[in-house]
Amino acid sequence: EPEVTQTPSHQVTQMGQEVILRCVPISNHLYFYWYRQILGQKVEFLVSFYNNEISEKSEIFDDQFSVERPDGSNFTLKIRSTKLEDSAMYFCASSDPGYREDEKLFFGSGTQLSVL
Amino acid sequence: ILNVEQSPQSLHVQEGDSTNFTCSFPSSNFYALHWYRWETAKSPEALFVMTLNGDEKKKGRISATLNTKEGYSYLYIKGSQPEDSATYLCAFWSTGTASKLTFGTGTRLQVTL
Repeated sequence: EPEVTQTPSHQVTQMGQEVILRCVPISNHLYFYWYRQILGQKVEFLVSFYNNEISEKSEIFDDQFSVERPDGSNFTLKIRSTKLEDSAMYFCASSDPGYREDEKLFFGSGTQLSVL
Repeated sequence: ILNVEQSPQSLHVQEGDSTNFTCSFPSSNFYALHWYRWETAKSPEALFVMTLNGDEKKKGRISATLNTKEGYSYLYIKGSQPEDSATYLCAFWSTGTASKLTFGTGTRLQVTL
């Protein structure tokens, strides 16, 4: 069964450093997302991406964050200057828009980001 | 800010017990309600996408119901097995948003022998 893959599974970085989290969505999907979960909190939406542009973003997704689909297969999340509070599990997801009943998200297994 | 709540937060049952959890969500601007199953160290996996008031969906021993007018959904597991141990997440999708899911806190289920 096709799956969403994320790399790396763990990333440790120093505060202020840039990180890029990588995802390969399911190949025929058209919508792509990033969500995150800070330990002990809810899974929260960051951004959705369709047709090579951001379709929606949350208030968390400020100027420090950016997304890119550089080559038609990868989908990346960049955090320009990491803060301690960016430490979280970051999930990539993709979906194939169709009937509303079919619009489930397929998630990757996540990248655990630790900012020291 | 959309309020999506789940109860209980955690649940510990014996193998063979049947159980159920609740997800409450806003009763206005409803588009869809998703249920995901999330096992430790794995990806969250979709169980159900529910769209119509009164929907009942079933997948093996797991079923779910939806009441959009009062803003709640129930997830039922019949005859729990240890492999059902996971966190069960509901997520609300409101109209006017581009696939933005608002998740509840999850119900962590532990099934023991």
